Amino acid sequence: RKEVEQDPGPFNVPEGATVAFNCTYSNSASQSFFWYRQDCRKEPKLLMSVYSSGNEDGRFTAQLNRASQYISLLIRDSKLSDSATYLCVVNRASNDYKLSFGAGTTVTVRA
Amino acid sequence: ETGVTQSPTHLIKTRGQQVTLRCSSQSGHNTVSWYQQALGQGPQFIFQYYREEENGRGNFPPRFSGLQFPNYSSELNVNALELDDSALYLCASSLGGFGNTIYFGEGSWLTVV
Repeated sequence: RKEVEQDPGPFNVPEGATVAFNCTYSNSASQSFFWYRQDCRKEPKLLMSVYSSGNEDGRFTAQLNRASQYISLLIRDSKLSDSATYLCVVNRASNDYKLSFGAGTTVTVRA
Repeated sequence: ETGVTQSPTHLIKTRGQQVTLRCSSQSGHNTVSWYQQALGQGPQFIFQYYREEENGRGNFPPRFSGLQFPNYSSELNVNALELDDSALYLCASSLGGFGNTIYFGEGSWLTVV
């Protein structure tokens, strides 16, 4: 089983729509969870950390479900600039920042 | 932007050759991690260096090796290159310790022919 699994998509949505997707992780000892954004042929960039109580950053909402070992990302009022691959990331061990990445979920927002 | 610089940005090597990739971490960052990202995949953890010592390794063969220097810059060396080594190699730096943000460089694109 992969450490982090994501629905690859693509999710093809119109501007203004809401899109949501999940990822599952296998290591119950993971303590840190993130969503990274990666544009084509660029490096990953931190979008947001995911906290146990769930958190929002503007149009982006992240949720963590430890019991079922999944995290989710919801994007409201999608913009063309949201088109990217979203990488689900968890730390590999309970006390350090070696990261395990999912393969990514591709989102394309169309005009 | 992130203060993490990698070189070279692109290179082409022949199967069986050796390659050295370089990373300058953000000023003051003492921890460097290397990741390999093949096309269509997420980055895979290769290894991490903390204060010049290897501090964890992923599922990569010994022909992948690294170094960290006293100024915390780092090198990734790959011997006996194989076609499957073609990928984007990413360096990430952080101030050691749990809870600190990790910053990625723009990566080195390696093509093995």
